[in-house]
Amino acid sequence: GENVEQHPSTLSVQEGDSAVIKCTYSDSASNYFPWYKQELGKGPQLIIDIRSNVGEKKDQRIAVTLNKTAKHFSLHITETQPEDSAVYFCAASDLPPRDYNYGGSQGNLIFGKGTKLSVKP
Amino acid sequence: EPEVTQTPSHQVTQMGQEVILRCVPISNHLYFYWYRQILGQKVEFLVSFYNNEISEKSEIFDDQFSVERPDGSNFTLKIRSTKLEDSAMYFCASSSPVGGQPQHFGDGTRLSIL
Repeated sequence: GENVEQHPSTLSVQEGDSAVIKCTYSDSASNYFPWYKQELGKGPQLIIDIRSNVGEKKDQRIAVTLNKTAKHFSLHITETQPEDSAVYFCAASDLPPRDYNYGGSQGNLIFGKGTKLSVKP
Repeated sequence: EPEVTQTPSHQVTQMGQEVILRCVPISNHLYFYWYRQILGQKVEFLVSFYNNEISEKSEIFDDQFSVERPDGSNFTLKIRSTKLEDSAMYFCASSSPVGGQPQHFGDGTRLSIL
């Protein structure tokens, strides 16, 4: 089955600096890679995702890159702010098919172990 | 914005007792999931559910676990005879079947087994 490795486990940066979190996956059939942010006492919240037909995706200060050949993907946060402090999880899965009646995976997520990001003011 | 809601937020139960965790997925979603997170560890997949059937389940989801959609809005996870190692955060998630939409998570139920 799929295995997702995530590094580093903790990351401390100064406000305004960039933060990079890296993940690798093992199953070449995985084609959907979301990133979730988890604040204390809350559930994981999707912040960005990327599909295997795309190499990079940006959303304001957040970007994700995907290298399918090497089976790794990364989260980049620029101009970090104290409110970015949280635990970030990468995940991998199959995309669910457009019509599930034709079978296939429902897109169960396999998560990495998480990165605790601390942004110091 | 529509949310996945879970109740209760915290459940304390004696070992060996049955517990039911409840979830209300986003109303137009058809794929449902349960995940577990032991304190300080990663989120682990338990089970996925579609069209009133289990689609996939992990090794964690043994005979002590069951899921049900008792009506048009609720999705429940039952643990028949709880063990100490069942203590964890349990997250429900749902997604739309259209175009592989992302999974939306609830804020979880913290299950404490004494």
